[in-house]
Amino acid sequence: EPEVTQTPSHQVTQMGQEVILRCVPISNHLYFYWYRQILGQKVEFLVSFYNNEISEKSEIFDDQFSVERPDGSNFTLKIRSTKLEDSAMYFCASTRTDRGLYNEQFFGPGTRLTVL
Amino acid sequence: RKEVEQDPGPFNVPEGATVAFNCTYSNSASQSFFWYRQDCRKEPKLLMSVYSSGNEDGRFTAQLNRASQYISLLIRDSKLSDSATYLCVVRDSSYKLIFGSGTRLLVRP
Repeated sequence: EPEVTQTPSHQVTQMGQEVILRCVPISNHLYFYWYRQILGQKVEFLVSFYNNEISEKSEIFDDQFSVERPDGSNFTLKIRSTKLEDSAMYFCASTRTDRGLYNEQFFGPGTRLTVL
Repeated sequence: RKEVEQDPGPFNVPEGATVAFNCTYSNSASQSFFWYRQDCRKEPKLLMSVYSSGNEDGRFTAQLNRASQYISLLIRDSKLSDSATYLCVVRDSSYKLIFGSGTRLLVRP
């Protein structure tokens, strides 16, 4: 069964460093998302991406964040200068279409980001 | 008011018990509704969608009350493997998912 994959599974970085989190969505999917979950808290939407541009972003997704689909398969989230509060699990998700109310978003296993 | 509100639990029940979770949402324009399951340190996985007429999938029954902006999940004949956090999720017109904080279920032998 096709699945969303994410690398690395765990990233440790120093405050102020740049990190890039990588995702490979399901191959025929067209809509891509990043969510994050701070330990013990709820899953929060960060950004949605379609047709090589951002469709929507939350207030969490400030100028320190960017997303890119550099080739036909990868979807990346970059944090330019990490802060302690960026420590969280970051989930990538994808869906084939946004048509239909009940299209499932498939989630990757997540990247645990720890900022020291 | 939180967009999606759930009782955090934990609900601690014996195997074979029936357990019910409730959820309320604040945005009356919300378009679709889901229950996801999340195991510790894992990604959310879709358990079931919640349709206006209510729907059942094996031991799981979901109900939606749009007038009260209320969603429920009933689990019958609980199994040890049902132990997890159950996330109430709402999708708005922009298609992003809005998650509740989750209700933790512990099923004991």
